[in-house]
Amino acid sequence: DQQVKQNSPSLSVQEGRISILNCDYTNSMFDYFLWYKKYPAEGPTFLISISSIKDKNEDGRFTVFLNKSAKHLSLHIVPSQPGDSAVYFCAASRRAGGTSYGKLTFGQGTILTVHP
Amino acid sequence: DGGITQSPKYLFRKEGQNVTLSCEQNLNHDAMYWYRQDPGQGLRLIYYSQIVNDFQKGDIAEGYSVSREKKESFPLTVTSAQKNPTAFYLCASTRGNGYTFGSGTRLTVV
Repeated sequence: DQQVKQNSPSLSVQEGRISILNCDYTNSMFDYFLWYKKYPAEGPTFLISISSIKDKNEDGRFTVFLNKSAKHLSLHIVPSQPGDSAVYFCAASRRAGGTSYGKLTFGQGTILTVHP
Repeated sequence: DGGITQSPKYLFRKEGQNVTLSCEQNLNHDAMYWYRQDPGQGLRLIYYSQIVNDFQKGDIAEGYSVSREKKESFPLTVTSAQKNPTAFYLCASTRGNGYTFGSGTRLTVV
């Protein structure tokens, strides 16, 4: 049972344009969502997160949007740069006790390629 | 600098052999996790531990075993019972303020 899904295996974007990566989830108990970036043969690095009490969080070129009713979140990268080319994973968790993160459930990942 | 160290980076195992992957952290994190990455399947949780001397099965624990005798260390043993062990293995830790991942171990069965 895939509780977190990234239905687009890959995305190709021109440098300077917007990249939009999508993620859907099925478990309504998830209340914290994260995006990670991963290069081959390396561990994922944290990009941005959002709590279920918000619908938008912004950090520089990265913005995450959360639509709880649709159980959908998206990551916007504006403007896209060639260095953004990597695999992007969304992840969801259910906080334990309201203060700490529970275990993360990951989507399958989307390969983003930004062309110069 | 604090971080998570996974070793070795590449590991080859003969069929029928057990092999242990190391994960050490100096971040003073309470919780540690093992994930497996396969192409097209994202990261799947194998085992996790939220305190010393306690660990829980994740979604794909069959064929794996772990121990958590020290806060800093969470080794993963891939046993001969794991039918398809070739994968990229990632260790992570958290103290509730963000996950930190190691750089991974690529295990190949030969």
